[in-house]
Amino acid sequence: QKEVEQDPGPLSVPEGAIVSLNCTYSNSAFQYFMWYRQYSRKGPELLMYTYSSGNKEDGRFTAQVDKSSKYISLFIRDSQPSDSATYLCAMTSWGKLQFGAGTQVVVTP
Amino acid sequence: GAVVSQHPSWVICKSGTSVKIECRSLDFQATTMFWYRQFPKQSLMLMATSNEGSKATYEQGVEKDKFLINHASLTLSTLTVTSAHPEDSSFYICSAPKANLGKETQYFGPGTRLLVL
Repeated sequence: QKEVEQDPGPLSVPEGAIVSLNCTYSNSAFQYFMWYRQYSRKGPELLMYTYSSGNKEDGRFTAQVDKSSKYISLFIRDSQPSDSATYLCAMTSWGKLQFGAGTQVVVTP
Repeated sequence: GAVVSQHPSWVICKSGTSVKIECRSLDFQATTMFWYRQFPKQSLMLMATSNEGSKATYEQGVEKDKFLINHASLTLSTLTVTSAHPEDSSFYICSAPKANLGKETQYFGPGTRLLVL
């Protein structure tokens, strides 16, 4: 079993809709949780960073962490075609990251 | 702006040759850097941890004699793919952790695309 599970998609939504992404994990030692956005042929770009259970908002992005359920989510409000990318969850206890497989998101105009 | 750079951004080489990829932290020192490989439509896979002043640690299944890592300074790590073969063609990405207010964030380089003919 992988330590981090993420549905690879693709997830297609119309412009303006809410994009909902999630990952589950099995290692209770993970303390830091990240979401990265990766455009085709580019390196990952950090979007959100959380370290405690609860919600964190940054503009149109909301990250949720539920450590009791070992479940994290990313929500993108008012989605735009420019949000079309692969979104990877990542988590670590310190140092090395464990990544999910990445979810491909397509926002259609 | 970018805090981690990689060079080159892409490289094409003949089978059997060696290729060196550089990873630099631009405005901070990194005693540790990480090297990842990403095949098309797959997630990043950690290859090795580069440690300044000591040997790199490799993940299971990664050949240390094939993927030579040198952490030359607190801002530079290099990955050399020795005797590259077509199956080594991939997207190689490095990351470096940067501490900010007591928390650590991984910053990634833009990646190096390697094509071995």
